[in-house]
Amino acid sequence: AQKITQTQPGMFVQEKEAVTLDCTYDTSDPSYGLFWYKQPSSGEMIFLIYQGSYDQQNATEGRYSLNFQKARKSANLVISASQLGDSAMYFCAIPGVGGATNKLIFGTGTLLAVQP
Amino acid sequence: NAGVTQTPKFQVLKTGQSMTLQCAQDMNHEYMSWYRQDPGMGLRLIHYSVGAGITDQGEVPNGYNVSRSTTEDFPLRLLSAAPSQTSVYFCASSIGPPNTYNEQFFGPGTRLTVL
Repeated sequence: AQKITQTQPGMFVQEKEAVTLDCTYDTSDPSYGLFWYKQPSSGEMIFLIYQGSYDQQNATEGRYSLNFQKARKSANLVISASQLGDSAMYFCAIPGVGGATNKLIFGTGTLLAVQP
Repeated sequence: NAGVTQTPKFQVLKTGQSMTLQCAQDMNHEYMSWYRQDPGMGLRLIHYSVGAGITDQGEVPNGYNVSRSTTEDFPLRLLSAAPSQTSVYFCASSIGPPNTYNEQFFGPGTRLTVL
């Protein structure tokens, strides 16, 4: 079965510094993708970045990048030059397999607080 | 283009009451899903649909019904509300299944409290 683990319930970072949010996964699917979503205090889920398991390079989207280590089954999100608006919950997710391909399986999330 | 809309934003029910959470999307997406989010947990899939007339259960379907009579709408019905159904409910849609690079667009959520 698919499993996503986010071991950091909460983190602090100083404004303008970089921060890494951890995500490890387990999957039986040889071809998969990993998603990161941001949930600010207003509650909506915002798609940030996607990494395909066969992508040759780590995904980047502006200040967001993925440190994807396939052999270690980790897909850590790196946020560079943190801003106050980055304070939010961050969720890592992976699609299901077999009869569960129509859903995303989410981790428990990491609450990031950016301090001025 | 409004994306995914959900109504209501907030709702309080008494145990045993029934209600329908509305979800609509205007992006012509085939895939629609309902998730619930509880404290300390990620989102869990309740029901999903791969197109009009086709629905299936997710991992926590008990106590909920869905139907998909049109591509645009995917309502979630609580048959007899229980306190365990107190949660934030998200509707999501995508062009295809999330097992490929098909971004899921989420609605703003409905915060439901069952007393």
